[in-house]
Amino acid sequence: AQSVTQPDIHITVSEGASLELRCNYSYGATPYLFWYVQSPGQGLQLLLKYFSGDTLVQGIKGFEAEFKRSQSSFNLRKPSVHWSDAAEYFCAVGSTGFQKLVFGTGTRLLVSP
Amino acid sequence: EPEVTQTPSHQVTQMGQEVILRCVPISNHLYFYWYRQILGQKVEFLVSFYNNEISEKSEIFDDQFSVERPDGSNFTLKIRSTKLEDSAMYFCASTPFSTDTQYFGPGTRLTVL
Repeated sequence: AQSVTQPDIHITVSEGASLELRCNYSYGATPYLFWYVQSPGQGLQLLLKYFSGDTLVQGIKGFEAEFKRSQSSFNLRKPSVHWSDAAEYFCAVGSTGFQKLVFGTGTRLLVSP
Repeated sequence: EPEVTQTPSHQVTQMGQEVILRCVPISNHLYFYWYRQILGQKVEFLVSFYNNEISEKSEIFDDQFSVERPDGSNFTLKIRSTKLEDSAMYFCASTPFSTDTQYFGPGTRLTVL
């Protein structure tokens, strides 16, 4: 069965600093990978996705993620964090036939002035 | 841009009561999903629905739960006899193809007293 690990529960970054959120997955085949963001009291917004092709994918709000098959990772990055990026970030993997998403436990990002 | 909508945004009910959570998926989408997120925990898959039948369900989705697409636009989740542990945020999602991005609604927060 597929699984997703986000090892960092909380991360605090200074505004303007770079950000990397870690995600490791377990899945037997080529995975469909996603990053979603959830602001307080809000739903899940898709940041970016990887299905195939170029392993570096660009998303909304200046985010990018790199798929590394050898490390089973799909880390999310942003070169310069803004205060509005404070939210919870979820990595997810799509299963065979893509009938469901399996989510990680999330990483809460705090942005300090 | 089309969005998934959910009503109500917050539902409070007494233990043992029936609740129906409503979702309006994006109009040309064919696959529908319910997920839940207990406070402070990760998002969990409940059920997927296609062509008027359940295509996959999780262990959480027991006989107390049911889903229905009563007309061409609504997708509902019914909990027959709510328990305290059903308190959670319930998210609806939809996608045009089973291997495409799932778009999430804003969620319904269910509180069981």
